[in-house]
Amino acid sequence: IAGITQAPTSQILAAGRRMTLRCTQDMRHNAMYWYRQDLGLGLRLIHYSNTAGTTGKGEVPDGYSVSRANTDDFPLTLASAVPSQTSVYFCASSASDGAVYGYTFGSGTRLTVV
Amino acid sequence: SQQGEEDPQALSIQEGENATMNCSYKTSINNLQWYRQNSGRGLVHLILIRSNEREKHSGRLRVTLDTSKKSSSLLITASRAADTASYFCATDNHGNSGYSTLTFGKGTMLLVSP
Repeated sequence: IAGITQAPTSQILAAGRRMTLRCTQDMRHNAMYWYRQDLGLGLRLIHYSNTAGTTGKGEVPDGYSVSRANTDDFPLTLASAVPSQTSVYFCASSASDGAVYGYTFGSGTRLTVV
Repeated sequence: SQQGEEDPQALSIQEGENATMNCSYKTSINNLQWYRQNSGRGLVHLILIRSNEREKHSGRLRVTLDTSKKSSSLLITASRAADTASYFCATDNHGNSGYSTLTFGKGTMLLVSP
């Protein structure tokens, strides 16, 4: 089934540890995004990539980094996790300009930093 | 910061009734999109309305857009228990290089009771 796969589904992480959230899509979408969802705050954009080899910062990029080595994969790395990064993380993708065609979302990664 | 703000935050209705959710935004947009999120899942794209459109239908969904008031509404007719979910509006941000990203509101939680 075409779509987005995120891994892990959930994770408990000690503060200060490094963690990479994986995101893979098989739809050959050009653009990919990372959002975090927090209760009462909705979804906020962390980083995005319009095409392989390029990335950009969203609304809340601090403490996160991304790479886009190829079309299918868009990992999100927390270099040194802090409790405020406890959240549900969603990866999304879109064909060409996602503001025109809509986004496809993964099922999310629930991350708890303790 | 959130571009779209949904109203109400929560809505509880009986099966068969109509559900109306509203979204207000602050700046000019290319289009506005509505998404649905079931508990513990990713968001699913429902419908997109362009800035030059005033109304759009898809099955039991009806979306209106009033750019002069910077507002949109999502109407779900003849609701079903399976419509229970959170609903988000999202607006595009005019980006550089012809690409945009979506900014999501905080959502309306809809509960449809049998």
